[in-house]
Amino acid sequence: QQPVQSPQAVILREGEDAVINCSSSKALYSVHWYRQKHGEAPVFLMILLKGGEQKGHDKISASFNEKKQQSSLYLTASQLSYSGTYFCGTELRTSYDKVIFGPGTSLSVIP
Amino acid sequence: SQTIHQWPATLVQPVGSPLSLECTVEGTSNPNLYWYRQAAGRGLQLLFYSVGIGQISSEVPQNLSASRPQDRQFILSSKKLLLSDSGFYLCAWRSQGSGGYTFGSGTRLTVV
Repeated sequence: QQPVQSPQAVILREGEDAVINCSSSKALYSVHWYRQKHGEAPVFLMILLKGGEQKGHDKISASFNEKKQQSSLYLTASQLSYSGTYFCGTELRTSYDKVIFGPGTSLSVIP
Repeated sequence: SQTIHQWPATLVQPVGSPLSLECTVEGTSNPNLYWYRQAAGRGLQLLFYSVGIGQISSEVPQNLSASRPQDRQFILSSKKLLLSDSGFYLCAWRSQGSGGYTFGSGTRLTVV
């Protein structure tokens, strides 16, 4: 039931782009994305509710392919502040109101 | 504005001792509330969630329990802690506006 995330870890230089993928084996109601800095609580980035939906703010965006039960998070022109662990969370159509999180993707941006 | 309070920030407890962690939300009514646990370097494990007073759903059978005695209060308890209960405990509420979760600052529990 836990979604799968890839890659597990990625190291970027400032200004480079990254894509983090999230997939589920079950039909999804929504996909959430969060970022957690070391020692802190996760912070909500965005939620995608509809198949084909794309959202974004600043240079972080995401897409949701409902048919494939997949979502991708896009980080463009990465900044040092983007470093952290990114979690996707999925709500199933059969049990929404609770989000199950993936194992996380560690992203490090270096100068 | 809505805020979520969680305390204490850190806790060191001996094996076999009881536990009580409290979470309160301000600025909203009838929120969905959640308890997650994060082991060191790991992901977020859903423990309990509540959609209303007295309504608790348990996700993981273990020696923890949860209660919601008031609309905006969510309590995580244990009668006897195990070493494996160590971790970062996070309370969260779901925003009716954005649909996303807002997490409290967390309690870092070490069972010794």
